[in-house]
Amino acid sequence: DGGITQSPKYLFRKEGQNVTLSCEQNLNHDAMYWYRQDPGQGLRLIYYSQIVNDFQKGDIAEGYSVSREKKESFPLTVTSAQKNPTAFYLCASSPSNQPQHFGDGTRLSIL
Amino acid sequence: AQSVTQLDSQVPVFEEAPVELRCNYSSSVSVYLFWYVQYPNQGLQLLLKYLSGSTLVKGINGFEAEFNKSQTSFHLRKPSVHISDTAEYFCAVSRIGANNLFFGTGTRLTVIP
Repeated sequence: DGGITQSPKYLFRKEGQNVTLSCEQNLNHDAMYWYRQDPGQGLRLIYYSQIVNDFQKGDIAEGYSVSREKKESFPLTVTSAQKNPTAFYLCASSPSNQPQHFGDGTRLSIL
Repeated sequence: AQSVTQLDSQVPVFEEAPVELRCNYSSSVSVYLFWYVQYPNQGLQLLLKYLSGSTLVKGINGFEAEFNKSQTSFHLRKPSVHISDTAEYFCAVSRIGANNLFFGTGTRLTVIP
């Protein structure tokens, strides 16, 4: 079945460590997105990519990095510079000018 | 830039009663409008969208929404809710021709048996 796969579903990080969240889609969508969700704040855009080898910062990019080496993959790295990384992270993809499709998310917690 | 306001953070409603979840948006340009639903520990699922044409949009699970340009609103309605409708609902807006979405803070709908 076509869709968006985020892994792992739950992730734990020690203070000072970088951690990478995986997002893979087999929908042949050009655009991919990363959002952070905190209680009561809705979704906030971290990074997005409209095409392979290109990406732009969203509203809260500080402390995060991404890459887009392949059309189907858009991994997100949460770096040690992100001081409050505990959140639910959602990946999405879309064809041009069409609604976004979402993965099931990764919940990141700090040990 | 675009922004979305969902005035009600929580809406409790009895089973089989009607419900309306309110959404207002702000934008200096024409927009697309969306409603998404999120069940616990899951991603977002598209309920319905307004791109153009008829201002009354029908979506999945018996939901509908009406685009009102003069009031900059896109309220979500269902005439009779079920227990399974208990979830968080997000309104979102994007500028026409752009892919980026701006989300409201969500409304938690709780259906009471």
